[in-house]
Amino acid sequence: ETGVTQTPRHLVMGMTNKKSLKCEQHLGHNAMYWYKQSAKKPLELMFVYSLEERVENNSVPSRFSPECPNSSHLFLHLHTLQPEDSALYLCASSQEAMGSTDTQYFGPGTRLTVL
Amino acid sequence: QKEVEQNSGPLSVPEGAIASLNCTYSDRVSQSFFWYRQYSGKSPELIMSIYSNGDKEDGRFTAQLNKASQYVSLLIRDSQPSDSATYLCAVNINWEYGNKLVFGAGTILRVKS
Repeated sequence: ETGVTQTPRHLVMGMTNKKSLKCEQHLGHNAMYWYKQSAKKPLELMFVYSLEERVENNSVPSRFSPECPNSSHLFLHLHTLQPEDSALYLCASSQEAMGSTDTQYFGPGTRLTVL
Repeated sequence: QKEVEQNSGPLSVPEGAIASLNCTYSDRVSQSFFWYRQYSGKSPELIMSIYSNGDKEDGRFTAQLNKASQYVSLLIRDSQPSDSATYLCAVNINWEYGNKLVFGAGTILRVKS
């Protein structure tokens, strides 16, 4: 699926590093999402952006900081992560945000390892 | 009770058989339901969406929805080894900000040749 791209595909970082994940969608969608997928656990919704406005998700630690400069680009800024944050981070987009028939399309993901 | 529940498997079927994957959900007012396929190390890929009670067919795949029983299933006919993957059920569930897609943990399918 080339409609949603993510970089980098793999990232290894220390707990004191600062890094950013990037997502770009070429589908003309208005909503973008970050998910976390840990081993043997369901996908966890982290953040939702609708027309570049963020929907709060108070359950995500502040060491994860999203940014959505426009409807095609989404970033996830990472700082002082913990080893338990190692996971597959997936970006998704959909035509509308949080609609009742919303269909989401995923990017290839970034495999993050925190040492 | 989990919002979306799936049997983790693995479900093993011989090549050419019908694979039946099941999912239950907790929100009675959910209106849209999705099946995604995820190969190991890859991202989820949309296979089917279903919104109305009954069956929806697309090639070898049939999605079945029963809102009264809060149950959605995916049938894969003539299973192939290439169908071996984790199948994720996703349900649109009402949230304080609108609707959000909630995923089950997935069922591992293994098709043996």
